[in-house]
Amino acid sequence: KQEVTQIPAALSVPEGENLVLNCSFTDSAIYNLQWFRQDPGKGLTSLLLIQSSQREQTSGRLNASLDKSSGRSTLYIAASQPGDSATYLCAVYGGSQGNLIFGKGTKLSVKP
Amino acid sequence: DAGVIQSPRHEVTEMGQEVTLRCKPISGHDYLFWYRQTMMRGLELLIYFNNNVPIDDSGMPEDRFSAKMPNASFSTLKIQPSEPRDSAVYFCASGRGEETQYFGPGTRLLVL
Repeated sequence: KQEVTQIPAALSVPEGENLVLNCSFTDSAIYNLQWFRQDPGKGLTSLLLIQSSQREQTSGRLNASLDKSSGRSTLYIAASQPGDSATYLCAVYGGSQGNLIFGKGTKLSVKP
Repeated sequence: DAGVIQSPRHEVTEMGQEVTLRCKPISGHDYLFWYRQTMMRGLELLIYFNNNVPIDDSGMPEDRFSAKMPNASFSTLKIQPSEPRDSAVYFCASGRGEETQYFGPGTRLLVL
C-alpha cells in the first residue's frame, strides 16, 4: 500500500528565506507526483506536476524535484513571502493504487 | 467557469441525523471524486466516479456512507445516521482524468 510522508509537519521562517519541503513515498512505481497548496478554509490548488520521466519542474519561485528510485521529492521555495503561508501537500498517482495518494502536508508560516 | 461548487459550506448537526453534501463539478469533466480530510488521517479518497458510474468506493468507511451521481453535473454524499467521528472537511474534486483534479472549497461538517 502506497504511503506518502511529509516532513516537517510545520515550518516557520522569516520572509526572504529560501526553504525546502520534503515528501517521501514507499512505492516507486508512480506515474507522477504533484504538489498542492491549501489555504485555510479552502480547497487544494495544484502547483506543480512532475511526470515519472522528469526530474524537476519549475514555476516562478517554486521548483519541485523528483527522485523516483529513492521515493523522494522536494519543493523548493525561493525568497519566501508572507503570501506563501499555507499548507503544502504532496500527492502521488499510480503505483499499486490507481488514484491520488496524499501526504498530510507541511504547514508553512512566513513571518514578515 | 465557476469551478467546483459544494454546498453547504458548513454543516452542524446532531448525532443520528442524516447529512447530505452536494457537489457540482466543472462542466466537461467526466471524473468526480469525494475526499475527507481530518487532522489525524489527512486527505482520504472516499469514492470516485467516471461518467457518472462509481469506479472505486473502497474508501467509503461504512454502510452509513453513500454517494450518487445521477447526472454529469451533480453528485451527493450522504451520511445516515451521522456520528461525531464523521466530523471532518469533505471535498469534492473533478477532472478529465484521475491525475488532474480541481478541488472545491469543501464542506466543514461538525456532528455533535
